[in-house]
Amino acid sequence: EAGVAQSPRYKIIEKRQSVAFWCNPISGHATLYWYQQILGQGPKLLIQFQNNGVVDDSQLPKDRFSAERLKGVDSTLKIQPAKLEDSAVYLCASSLRDRDFTEAFFGQGTRLTVV
Amino acid sequence: EDQVTQSPEALRLQEGESSSLNCSYTVSGLRGLFWYRQDPGKGPEFLFTLYSAGEEKEKERLKATLTKKESFLHITAPKPEDSATYLCAVQGSGGYQKVTFGTGTKLQVIP
Repeated sequence: EAGVAQSPRYKIIEKRQSVAFWCNPISGHATLYWYQQILGQGPKLLIQFQNNGVVDDSQLPKDRFSAERLKGVDSTLKIQPAKLEDSAVYLCASSLRDRDFTEAFFGQGTRLTVV
Repeated sequence: EDQVTQSPEALRLQEGESSSLNCSYTVSGLRGLFWYRQDPGKGPEFLFTLYSAGEEKEKERLKATLTKKESFLHITAPKPEDSATYLCAVQGSGGYQKVTFGTGTKLQVIP
């Protein structure tokens, strides 16, 4: 079974530039999560999708971050404009069911450095 | 708001030296407590889910236990390949509840 795919693996941008990350979840997984993990901290949920719909985006900085999940499969997370404090690893995860985090599988993440 | 506190922040063990990692949590009703392992440059890898106080789960040299306020990850006779950051997370019960992660314990096992 293929895992969660993310790209790119690494990205370096200047502050105020824009950047986009892509995630392809495990086939058949209805729930997709985007997490932000700052160095030395645990993952923090940014947004959770159930199929095409948003379940939770309460911690997403909506003035600069946006995310979409077209056709309930792939997802993109965008930052525009980026700030220095956005430097982090952005993790995508997917799970089979909405309320069962046990089956959540993570991708390898995208390491973003904002200079 | 749900809270997860892990201790110690870092732990250095000799190969074969058993120890325990702690995860203290505050949540209004527990749906599940999760342990993950994270290697450098990789995403978290699922280890265990615990649902109720008194529950225990084992996998090779790892054993996870749960009480009403904390969980322990016991590592018996660790090997260098057990070196990683171990993350604890909780999910509350009742409707939609997001999963809250702790900051992790970085374990180093020295040969």
